[in-house]
Amino acid sequence: DAGVIQSPRHEVTEMGQEVTLRCKPISGHDYLFWYRQTMMRGLELLIYFNNNVPIDDSGMPEDRFSAKMPNASFSNLKIQPSEPRDSAVYFCASSTQWGDSRINTQYFGPGTRLTVL
Amino acid sequence: QQPVQSPQAVILREGEDAVINCSSSKALYSVHWYRQKHGEAPVFLMILLKGGEQKGHEKISASFNEKKQQSSLYLTASQLSYSGTYFCGTVSRLGDMRFGAGTRLTVKP
Repeated sequence: DAGVIQSPRHEVTEMGQEVTLRCKPISGHDYLFWYRQTMMRGLELLIYFNNNVPIDDSGMPEDRFSAKMPNASFSNLKIQPSEPRDSAVYFCASSTQWGDSRINTQYFGPGTRLTVL
Repeated sequence: QQPVQSPQAVILREGEDAVINCSSSKALYSVHWYRQKHGEAPVFLMILLKGGEQKGHEKISASFNEKKQQSSLYLTASQLSYSGTYFCGTVSRLGDMRFGAGTRLTVKP
């Protein structure tokens, strides 16, 4: 199993540009999570999906951020327009579910380091 | 709400023990523990599902007090490889998951 795959691994862009981060979860996993990690704010949950449906997006910082999961094997996180304060490491994680729909162990991807100049 | 972890940081000598605590204001269904080394992604350590449940992996174990909505991670006879930031993740009875701010553990020779 290849694990959770994220691309790109590093992204450097200028303020105002659109940024798209991509994630391929582990095959068969029902849950997909997007996290942002910074020194100041730690690991923040942005949004998560269950069976491709967004369940909780309360962590999405503002309208500039959007995430979609068009199918079970792909999700993307877009920032438009990007700002310097969006600089962070963005992790994608996937998980299976228990029989009663509880979240199981999360497997994290390697992360995308985003720098907005 | 984010679970609260304590301490924020701890420095140990090899062979010493440490305890990391995690508490939540919500009724919990499960607690997850992860370790993250610098520049890497968080890696799963263990999950606790039932109140009072204790699990262990080598010399790292954890307990879950469902009534107090707390979990503790125990590191016994610490090794250099234990260094990293430890996160607890709590899953509430409503199904939402949140991570604590992390505890930075440094083990020195």
